[in-house]
Amino acid sequence: KAGVTQTPRYLIKTRGQQVTLSCSPISGHRSVSWYQQTPGQGLQFLFEYFSETQRNKGNFPGRFSGRQFSNSRSEMNVSTLELGDSALYLCASSLDGGSTDTQYFGPGTRLTVL
Amino acid sequence: AQSVAQPEDQVNVAEGNPLTVKCTYSVSGNPYLFWYVQYPNRGLQFLLKYITGDNLVKGSYGFEAEFNKSQTSFHLKKPSALVSDSALYFCAVRDKGYSSASKIIFGSGTRLSIRP
Repeated sequence: KAGVTQTPRYLIKTRGQQVTLSCSPISGHRSVSWYQQTPGQGLQFLFEYFSETQRNKGNFPGRFSGRQFSNSRSEMNVSTLELGDSALYLCASSLDGGSTDTQYFGPGTRLTVL
Repeated sequence: AQSVAQPEDQVNVAEGNPLTVKCTYSVSGNPYLFWYVQYPNRGLQFLLKYITGDNLVKGSYGFEAEFNKSQTSFHLKKPSALVSDSALYFCAVRDKGYSSASKIIFGSGTRLSIRP
């Protein structure tokens, strides 16, 4: 079974631009979560989608948004990029997002904001 | 609110020796605990999880973890370390339910370095 895939793997943007990252979950998984990983803040939860609905949200500004499609694929968007948005963005999928569910992570998208 | 702590930023072990990576947690109810490993330029890989039952959980690559409710700990262990175990290890906790509070919280990570 194919794992979680994320595209693109690397992105370079400048301040003020916007960016869209894509995540394809493992086949049959309906929950997709997004995380931001930085050396200073570690792994921080952005949001979780299940059946095209945002079910959980972390403490990030409204510039960070996401959506999920009927095939469970998910995208996240960051508008008006800031230097501090440079990070590894990780997507994780699980069967239904329950508390005992195991999340499986993709390789991440490395975003650099100049 | 739930939280998880990994008190050691780095752990250094000689190859062949046993290793322990420490994790303590705080949740309001029964915890669900996870360990993940991250290799350079890669996503996180699932190692093992504790849901209920036996306090000793066995996982991938020869790793195991011991759940200790009285000490609120979930330390990761391996009897004999390999150089290839060198990586960044994350402990994570989640409490029960599907409520908005039931997010998975990751520790700050522990870098494990195995010297030949």
